Amino acid sequence: QITLKESGPTLVKPTQTLTLTCSFSGFSLTATGVAVGWIRQPPGKALEWLALIFWDDDKWYSPPLRSRVTVTKGTSKNQVVLTMTNMNPVDTATYYCAHYHFGDFDFWGQGILVTVSS
Amino acid sequence: QSVLSQPPSASGTPGQRVTISCSGSSSNIGSNSVSWYQHLPGTAPKLLIYSDNLRRSGVPDRFSGSKSGTSASLAISGLQSEDEADYYCATWDDSLNGLFGGGTKLTVL
Repeated sequence: QITLKESGPTLVKPTQTLTLTCSFSGFSLTATGVAVGWIRQPPGKALEWLALIFWDDDKWYSPPLRSRVTVTKGTSKNQVVLTMTNMNPVDTATYYCAHYHFGDFDFWGQGILVTVSS
Repeated sequence: QSVLSQPPSASGTPGQRVTISCSGSSSNIGSNSVSWYQHLPGTAPKLLIYSDNLRRSGVPDRFSGSKSGTSASLAISGLQSEDEADYYCATWDDSLNGLFGGGTKLTVL
């Protein structure tokens, strides 16, 4: 059974760096073809893809956010970390991590609402 | 504004068939598979359809997907009250960027 869960701060100040951790079970990020993605949803708006990290450490980033977003494997083998610099109120959103399988996100975490406010 | 265009809303009465469209271009839908997600507020999005028209295991056969050229559609037949949710199409573009549609809010009248 695949499960994922996001953790991190729920409130950050403008210009600060956001660090979120995705803890997962039921699969290994060392297995060929496996990847974990990050997607966010601002309140009342659509889903937005942010980044993807593959089993072989290949990484894909959303072009508009490429300069601000970094995704890495965590110190624990069952974790992925998303870092987003220079946070702005427009980055207020629910952030999800998800298991990627041949082009689709088939399992998602519950999401974490991150508010950017001074 | 999303690269993939969806109608912001759709509605139907119980038992009806509704269709949600998703319009893209040759560099995204035209050359890559389309997925459909169901999202109820406060919950995690759920994958319904992948590879244009394949239903994920456990998804009722009332849900079906199709694609033609640079457009895709999600059809829901025998509409039920529990189908009231937001629906998103998704695909990748030729530059390996993930794309979601703007979402369609389905109301069951």
